[in-house]
Parts: sequence; structure tokens; C-alpha cells
Amino acid sequence: GAVVSQHPSWVICKSGTSVKIECRSLDFQATTMFWYRQFPKQSLMLMATSNEGSKATYEQGVEKDKFLINHASLTLSTLTVTSAHPEDSSFYICSAPDVRHPYGYTFGSGTRLTVV
Amino acid sequence: GDSVTQMEGPVTLSEEAFLTINCTYTATGYPSLFWYVQYPGEGLQLLLKATKADDKGSNKGFEATYRKETTSFHLEKGSVQVSDSAVYFCALEGSQGNLIFGKGTKLSVKP
Repeated sequence: GAVVSQHPSWVICKSGTSVKIECRSLDFQATTMFWYRQFPKQSLMLMATSNEGSKATYEQGVEKDKFLINHASLTLSTLTVTSAHPEDSSFYICSAPDVRHPYGYTFGSGTRLTVV
Repeated sequence: GDSVTQMEGPVTLSEEAFLTINCTYTATGYPSLFWYVQYPGEGLQLLLKATKADDKGSNKGFEATYRKETTSFHLEKGSVQVSDSAVYFCALEGSQGNLIFGKGTKLSVKP
């Protein structure tokens, strides 16, 4: 079935630095990619929706200048956390509609970001 | 807005016990409903889904029925196994095609 490869699976960075998370669709073209964030003991929350070749749509309360999303090709979407702070420490996961199932979604394995 | 509420865990059961994880939702219209599972160290996987009222989704011995009258989509399994230990997420499809998740319920099955 459709596979989304997400890297890195975990990363530790210093405050003020930037971190890039990549999601690649390996065997299908992902025209849309959803980016989620999950804080401990909370549900996954949609951060933004990216569509290939256009600007991402951000959810209310998500800083677009801080969380840069690029979806330049049909197989790659990236999320860059700029000037990271400890409060950005979270679990980030991407998801694309699964082309095999109209109501299914394929998820990346997630990235655990820790900012120290 | 749309939301999903699922029972908080953790849930600890003995092998072969009956499992129920409650999930209720608030939504405009009748969205598709899902259960996702996250095994330790892995990403989320679709477990089952239902797209309209009274539909029953089933997979790997798990079942959930889309109940419009009670706005519920409870997950059940008649006899759990140790390998079912995971975190289970109830979700609905939002109006933008995104997913709205519950907080997740951790299930631990003891031998």
C-alpha cells in the first residue's frame, strides 16, 4: 500500500536553531500532505495542510513564519521549525490521503522533537 | 466545531478479556469515522472505518458501529491478545478532508 517515509524519527536541538522534517511518499504522488502535532497526553492536532505547488494553509494559532512548510514536488513535503524553543518540543507527524482507499490516510512514523 | 471524545486510559486487561473503548463525536453532518492504532515504535495505522450511519467497520477481530442516534463509534473486541497492546485513536473526517482525533487510549494486555 501507499507509504509515507518520515525523517528524522527523533531529533534533539538547541534553542534558537532550526529543524527540518521530511515526509516522502514512496510509491504514490501525494498532492496533499497534512501536518499534525501531538503534545503529551493530548490528541493529534492539525497544524497545516500543504498542497503541491501552492502555499500551505495553516490552522488558527499556528505561526506560519515559525513552521515553514514546503511541498515543492508530488513526493516531498517538508516542515521546518525555525528558531525552535523548548515549547516546540512535541511529536510531529505527516499524513497523506491514501490513494488506494478514498477514506483512508497514510501516516509517516512521526518525529519526536526535543528542544533543549 | 467538530470534535472527538474517547475514554481516557490507560486500559489494562488480561488476555482473552473483552475490550470496549468508547468514542463519541460532535460534528456537522455525518462524517466518516475511523479507528487508528499506534503500536509501540510505529506510526499510526488505519484499523477500521465507517462512512455512514449503521455501517460496521471490522478488522483483526475489532469492530465498531457508526451510531448516528448516539453519535458514537465504540471500538470492541471479544478476546484481546498481548499483541493488541497499543494506543488507539478515534477520529472523524473534518470538512477540509483532514482528520480530527481523540486523545488516544493506551491499551495494555497482560498474559
